[in-house]
Amino acid sequence: KQEVTQIPAALSVPEGENLVLNCSFTDSAIYNLQWFRQDPGKGLTSLLLIQSSQREQTSGRLNASLDKSSGRSTLYIAASQPGDSATYLCAVFSGGSNYKLTFGKGTLLTVNP
Amino acid sequence: GAVVSQHPSRVICKSGTSVKIECRSLDFQATTMFWYRQFPKKSLMLMATSNEGSKATYEQGVEKDKFLINHASLTLSTLTVTSAHPEDSSFYICSATLAGVSTDTQYFGPGTRLTVL
Repeated sequence: KQEVTQIPAALSVPEGENLVLNCSFTDSAIYNLQWFRQDPGKGLTSLLLIQSSQREQTSGRLNASLDKSSGRSTLYIAASQPGDSATYLCAVFSGGSNYKLTFGKGTLLTVNP
Repeated sequence: GAVVSQHPSRVICKSGTSVKIECRSLDFQATTMFWYRQFPKKSLMLMATSNEGSKATYEQGVEKDKFLINHASLTLSTLTVTSAHPEDSSFYICSATLAGVSTDTQYFGPGTRLTVL
């Protein structure tokens, strides 16, 4: 059974700081890994999707890396802004013929002005 | 493109009543739709996978008689919480995949907050 863990559970940083969010998963046989953003009481916004054959993806100030063999991914946010404050969720798509997304509990990020 | 809507966005009901939540793909046809629930400070948990025209596949521990899923068309899936109880209060989110495209990309709806009194 796939399990996804995110560390830290919460993070508070001053504006402008670079930061790293961590995600680990127990079963390395994944199709892809996604990072999402969720604002309070809202749905999910997909940030980055990394296929199992890829090592990283970049979008603007965001960079996500994937080390499938070790079951780890990181989301790097450069020059953080107050608008980045949200919960960041990591999810892996796996399961063989019964594929599904398995989510971590998320990291609650607060960027202080 | 690839927008998914949910209706209602928020619903409050009395214990024992049934509540229907709609999930629509607005600008694409969705072969498969997924229903998730999220408790406060918990992960999103997949409840069921719904394919158009066939019965939904439920995850272990999810009561199919309590959470009725209908996927009658390529743009609409509904989740009905029957005889809702306070413990069913949660945030329900659906997602959809594009018909004819790999199912590894899911487009998520904005969610429905259900509160059962």
